[in-house]
Amino acid sequence: AQTVTQSQPEMSVQEAETVTLSCTYDTSESNYYLFWYKQPPSRQMILVIRQEAYKQQNATENRFSVNFQKAAKSFSLKISDSQLGDTAMYFCAFIPHSGGSNYKLTFGKGTLLTVNP
Amino acid sequence: DAMVIQNPRYQVTQFGKPVTLSCSQTLNHNVMYWYQQKSSQAPKLLFHYYDKDFNNEADTPDNFQSRRPNTSFCFLDIRSPGLGDAAMYLCATSSGVGGNQPQHFGDGTRLSIL
Repeated sequence: AQTVTQSQPEMSVQEAETVTLSCTYDTSESNYYLFWYKQPPSRQMILVIRQEAYKQQNATENRFSVNFQKAAKSFSLKISDSQLGDTAMYFCAFIPHSGGSNYKLTFGKGTLLTVNP
Repeated sequence: DAMVIQNPRYQVTQFGKPVTLSCSQTLNHNVMYWYQQKSSQAPKLLFHYYDKDFNNEADTPDNFQSRRPNTSFCFLDIRSPGLGDAAMYLCATSSGVGGNQPQHFGDGTRLSIL
């Protein structure tokens, strides 16, 4: 079974600054995907960024980038030039590439990020 | 825009009174999921449909059932809601399974039990 751990329940950052959210995971799978999802207050959960484990290059999406360390089973999210609209709960999630449970997202407990003006 | 639509956004029911939550999608995705999310917690998968094939998670209470009459719609039925069932219920869809088919979420229905 997989586990995903987000060790920072809450974080805050000043607008325009950079913040990094941590995520570690444990799995015996060799190929899998990792995700960061954003859930703003009372709004839908949306996919921020996705990383395929067999790709060594870190994924980037505009101001969002990840630091994927496969050997360390670490998958952190860096948000550059933080904006007020980035205030949300951020969930790290894992899914195996294949096999019987490749439909099931395993989520961490989330990190509540507040961007202050 | 193609999307996942959940109705209603807020639902209040009485203890023990059956309630149905609705999800529809215009993405024409094969897979539909129902998650339960309690306050400040991660979403917990209840079950999913791959086309018409129903897949129940082992720890989903019998009180929760689901129907998928067609590709576009999926319903969550709670037969006898208890106070512990108060939560946000999220519907999601994906074109297939596996990480290269990301899940798309609706806005959720927040269920309150009186």
